[in-house]
Amino acid sequence: DAGVTQSPTHLIKTRGQQVTLRCSPISGHKSVSWYQQVLGQGPQFIFQYYEKEERGRGNFPDRFSARQFPNYSSELNVNALLLGDSALYLCASSPGTGTQYFGPGTRLTVL
Amino acid sequence: AQSVSQHNHHVILSEAASLELGCNYSYGGTVNLFWYVQYPGQHLQLLLKYFSGDPLVKGIKGFEAEFIKSKFSFNLRKPSVQWSDTAEYFCAVIPPSNYQLIWGAGTKLIIKP
Repeated sequence: DAGVTQSPTHLIKTRGQQVTLRCSPISGHKSVSWYQQVLGQGPQFIFQYYEKEERGRGNFPDRFSARQFPNYSSELNVNALLLGDSALYLCASSPGTGTQYFGPGTRLTVL
Repeated sequence: AQSVSQHNHHVILSEAASLELGCNYSYGGTVNLFWYVQYPGQHLQLLLKYFSGDPLVKGIKGFEAEFIKSKFSFNLRKPSVQWSDTAEYFCAVIPPSNYQLIWGAGTKLIIKP
């Protein structure tokens, strides 16, 4: 079975630009979560979606937004990029609650 | 602030040594507990989890963890490490009435052959 997939793998943007990251969950999983991992730290929660509804939001500015589609895939959008947004963005899927399974991440570099 | 703490940021061991990585959390009530591992160049993988029941949990690759409620701890153990266990290990908690994972800072484990 395919695991969680994310695209793109790597991305380079400049300050002020906008970026869209994509995630496809494990088949049958209805929940998707997004995390930001800065080098040397544990992941930080950004959003969780379940059945296309936002179920939780972390302490991130409004420049960060997300949505979940009817097929349970998800997009994370970040507007007005800052240098500090450079990080590994992780997507995780779960059936509903409990165990989350992670994708390989998207490495975003903001110059 | 409520949090998850991992005591050691870097651990270096020789092959066949025993391993214990500490994890403490500060949430009261019922929590779900996890250990994830990230091998070099790979994505986060679930090692083991605790939701309820037997507080001694066995995971993949010979790892186990013990939930001690009175100490708010969920320490990871392995009796004899191998070079292939070199990786970064993360403890994570889902707090009560919540869905998000709260993560420790991670422990980088290096096993000398």
